[in-house]
This record gives sequence, structure tokens and C-alpha cells, in this order.
Amino acid sequence: NAGVTQTPKFRILKIGQSMTLQCTQDMNHNYMYWYRQDPGMGLKLIYYSVGAGITDKGEVPNGYNVSRSTTEDFPLRLELAAPSQTSVYFCASSPAGLNYEQYFGPGTRLTVT
Amino acid sequence: QKEVEQNSGPLSVPEGAIASLNCTYSDRGSQSFFWYRQYSGKSPELIMSIYSNGDKEDGRFTAQLNKASQYVSLLIRDSQPSDSATYLCAVRRTGTASKLTFGTGTRLQVTL
Repeated sequence: NAGVTQTPKFRILKIGQSMTLQCTQDMNHNYMYWYRQDPGMGLKLIYYSVGAGITDKGEVPNGYNVSRSTTEDFPLRLELAAPSQTSVYFCASSPAGLNYEQYFGPGTRLTVT
Repeated sequence: QKEVEQNSGPLSVPEGAIASLNCTYSDRGSQSFFWYRQYSGKSPELIMSIYSNGDKEDGRFTAQLNKASQYVSLLIRDSQPSDSATYLCAVRRTGTASKLTFGTGTRLQVTL
């Protein structure tokens, strides 16, 4: 199993550009999550999904959109990139069950200039 | 009061010593507790989970949970330089289904 994979690893965007961060998991997990991590600020939840076709906002959803058409894939869309979206983005997944342990992908480092 | 609070450190311990990392949480109904290790420039890696009061041991790691006092701790015995990382505490709070709330992490430095 590859676990949770993310592409790209690094990206530089200009202000106002758009892009999609890809996330795929091969563990057949129902739940998937997108976080951003800023220095000293911990992980903040952007969006999450409890299954194909079902998504919901987290703490910091503004400026982002998601979709979940399959169990495996959970892409994050940035529209009209802003410098405030410079961050490291992590995708995670967890199985359904009592405790929801989350497993993280390797991350995407995004810079908006 | 932060929902999940950790001392940012750095916590410096000599090689071979016990490192003790602490985390407090504000929601008394929280149900699941996790410790993640994050090396610089890498993603968080799950190392321990605990759900009931008491201790849970896994190799050199022991997680301790005290729901009455609302804290969870991680002990690392025989600390090694490879344990130097940031340790994130995460809590599944009441009514949040599968979502976790993370602390900002404690940076651990194991010195030779």
C-alpha cells in the first residue's frame, strides 16, 4: 500500500492563479481531510469528507473548494490564490470506526507570490 | 483557553533519559487522544493512541491519560537523537465525529 499520496510536492503560484492539489489514498478509508500548517500555528482543518459525494467545511475553508467523487480521491482547489494561502498542505485519511486514527500524506509546500 | 494546549519547548533531554511531553485539553467530553511525531519538513506520523484512563505502552513509548484532570502525556524512555522532532497532541472532541483538534506541538531535542 502506498498509503496517502499527494501531488505536487512543491508549487509556486502567482497571486490570482488557481490550482488543484491532488490527494489519493489506497487504504479504502471512508474519511478524508485537508489541513494547512503554518509555522507555530499547528494544523488547521480546511475541509473534510465522510465518503464519496459528501464534504463539509472545517475551521478555515475560505478560498478553497473540494470534491469527492470516489473513495480514493479528494482534490483541493484553490481559486484566486492569495499570499495568505502560502502554507504546507496535508491530506489525511481515516477508517470508519470508533477512534478515527488519521494517517497523513507527505504534504504540498505552496508559495503564493 | 486553547482547546488543546502544549508547551512549545524546546524540551532538551540527554540521550538515554526519559522525555516527558504533556498536553491539556479543554473539552471534558473528549474521547480519543493521539500523539503524532513530525520531523522537520515532513508530515505527522501517528505513534500512539489512547482512549481509556491509565497507561498504554508501545516499545519505548508510554501514553498516559487522565480524563479527570484533562491531560494526556507521552513518555519516551531511553531517548535517542532520532527522537528529536516536534510532537503533536490531537484530541477527538465531543460531537465532532471524526475530526481531530491538534495542539501546536512540543519540540524535543535529544542531546548527545
